[in-house]
Amino acid sequence: GAVVSQHPSRVICKSGTSVKIECRSLDFQATTMFWYRQFPKQSLMLMATSNEGSKATYEQGVEKDKFLINHASLTLSTLTVTSAHPEDSSFYICSARVGLSGKQFFGPGTRLTVL
Amino acid sequence: GQQLNQSPQSMFIQEGEDVSMNCTSSSIFNTWLWYKQDPGEGPVLLIALYKAGELTSNGRLTAQFGITRKDSFLNISASIPSDVGIYFCAGQTYSGGGADGLTFGKGTHLIIQP
Repeated sequence: GAVVSQHPSRVICKSGTSVKIECRSLDFQATTMFWYRQFPKQSLMLMATSNEGSKATYEQGVEKDKFLINHASLTLSTLTVTSAHPEDSSFYICSARVGLSGKQFFGPGTRLTVL
Repeated sequence: GQQLNQSPQSMFIQEGEDVSMNCTSSSIFNTWLWYKQDPGEGPVLLIALYKAGELTSNGRLTAQFGITRKDSFLNISASIPSDVGIYFCAGQTYSGGGADGLTFGKGTHLIIQP
């Protein structure tokens, strides 16, 4: 149980384009999902909290207009990187929270490369 | 954002040896979690700790939630080749909407020499 998927696993795009990443909880409902970013050889950094049916909350320093989050159902959250630039190249990982508990299960990540 | 102080940064050990790593924080957390991440994949939850002083085992892994709620350690006994990877500690607080996003340590890279 507690399986989280992400799509796509890898994406390469040109600078200035937008990229959408999907995060799905496959066998449970998640009212809350989280988006993290991980640069090479670094740790995961929380970007935003995605709440079903309401606006996402962003961590300090994360541009909400650049990283659009939509949590339209209890099993799906999407992250759209708008007007991507090479410095946005990173490993984007989502997690889904089980109820209100502390357990978060992570997706396999999406490797974004912006040329 | 905040990061936890995790040490050691890397460990080179022989197969069969025991491993110990720890995390400290300047602030209190309600929950401590330990994850393992293989290259190119998402972190996998190993152990979750919910109470100060709690000692929990998962097979050869043992973790403890520090009494001050500002630290935690993870021990791996009798290491095997598949233990290779990066181990992250993570601290979590709770707000009105439930458990918050995680604050991660910088990771401990475990390398096992045959």
